[in-house]
Amino acid sequence: DIVMTQSPLSLPVTPGESASISCRSSQSLLHSNGYNYLDWYLQKPGQSPQLLIYLGSYRAFGVPDRFSGSGSGTDFTLKISRVEAEDVGLYFCMQALEIPPDTFGQGTKLEIK
Amino acid sequence: QVHLVQSGPEVKKPGSSVKVSCQASGGTFSSYAVSWVRQAPGQGLQWMGRIIPKLGTTNYTQRFQGRVTITAAESTSTVYMELSGLGLDDTAVYYCAAAVAGTFTFDYWGQGTLVTVSS
Repeated sequence: DIVMTQSPLSLPVTPGESASISCRSSQSLLHSNGYNYLDWYLQKPGQSPQLLIYLGSYRAFGVPDRFSGSGSGTDFTLKISRVEAEDVGLYFCMQALEIPPDTFGQGTKLEIK
Repeated sequence: QVHLVQSGPEVKKPGSSVKVSCQASGGTFSSYAVSWVRQAPGQGLQWMGRIIPKLGTTNYTQRFQGRVTITAAESTSTVYMELSGLGLDDTAVYYCAAAVAGTFTFDYWGQGTLVTVSS
């Protein structure tokens, strides 16, 4: 199974500053079609997860352009520029390449300083 | 836009079974694969399995193989997840999540169902 490793696990951020979360996979998520099968989700407190980024770098519908995804192969980064209070929550990466997709990252808790 | 509505919270005894439902509206149900993902208190996300209602095909992760059964009723656009042999460590919020068939990108999520296993 593909193992996903996120860092850091805790991320205190001052509003207006930027934040980055790293996600590494034990196997390449680059498909032969040229797409990286890596998604990012945000789970706000008390809510269900919501899709932020799919295929490594594509923002889901309605996601602010403050959120960006980058990386390829085994190393990926989620960047949040100009962090706002509404961005607090748990951020998960997940490989979307193969069954079983039960390899979510451990989650990164973003909190406001 | 697909909207997923799950059944209400459950309290179960160890060794019993639970069946949680997830009803879809607002989209083409047959275009999606519906997965179940659980989250134990204070923990991360764990994929359990999925069904492609149009085909009736299912996939389960090894960890829950033999204990979880996912079914679908196309006529009501409802997917069910039944978990048997409940233990205390099955206490969790169970989410259904929909992905376009053939992908594992979860575009839509249900509101979650808390299952509490307690003696």
